[in-house]
Amino acid sequence: DTAVSQTPKYLVTQMGNDKSIKCEQNLGHDTMYWYKQDSKKFLKIMFSYNNKELIINETVPNRFSPKSPDKAHLNLHINSLELGDSAVYFCASSQLTGDYGYTFGSGTRLTVV
Amino acid sequence: QKEVEQDPGPLSVPEGAIVSLNCTYSNSAFQYFMWYRQYSRKGPELLMYTYSSGNKEDGRFTAQVDKSSKYISLFIRDSQPSDSATYLCAMTSNTGGFKTIFGAGTRLFVKA
Repeated sequence: DTAVSQTPKYLVTQMGNDKSIKCEQNLGHDTMYWYKQDSKKFLKIMFSYNNKELIINETVPNRFSPKSPDKAHLNLHINSLELGDSAVYFCASSQLTGDYGYTFGSGTRLTVV
Repeated sequence: QKEVEQDPGPLSVPEGAIVSLNCTYSNSAFQYFMWYRQYSRKGPELLMYTYSSGNKEDGRFTAQVDKSSKYISLFIRDSQPSDSATYLCAMTSNTGGFKTIFGAGTRLFVKA
């Protein structure tokens, strides 16, 4: 199946821990994204990579570090997790600049306790 | 003022009704307009894409863009219970790094 797949689907962890979320797309897209969706369903961009190069870096705490080993993968590492980091994190991909729309993964539900 | 405004609902309609979902925006540089559908505990799925002003139809779905009023709409004809989901508008400009801004989403319930 052609898709954007992210793992894990659920992540429950304690404050202060470090965790990673992985994302892979087999659509041949050039650009990948991380979005955060809060409890009110508001989707906000965090990062965007085009061919392994960072092109969008919103005002996200530097505890969040994206890594793109190749254009099909974009991972998100989070250090020193805080309660406010609890949210659903979506990976997405698109052709070029995304003006024709994105393909989203199914999300990682992160709960920090 | 947010760049994209969307009424979160919820909107409840009987099966077979025509549904109208809307967004307004403030940035006149937006040129690409999209509607996504998101089922509970799933990722958003692209439904419709429109460039600049005009209408686009795909089956029971029609997207309209009025750039002069900075207003976009999604119409769903003959709504079905399976249309129950959150609908998010999204828009992109070709300036500022092609960043896509999403509305907050409207929760739709179609009752059988």
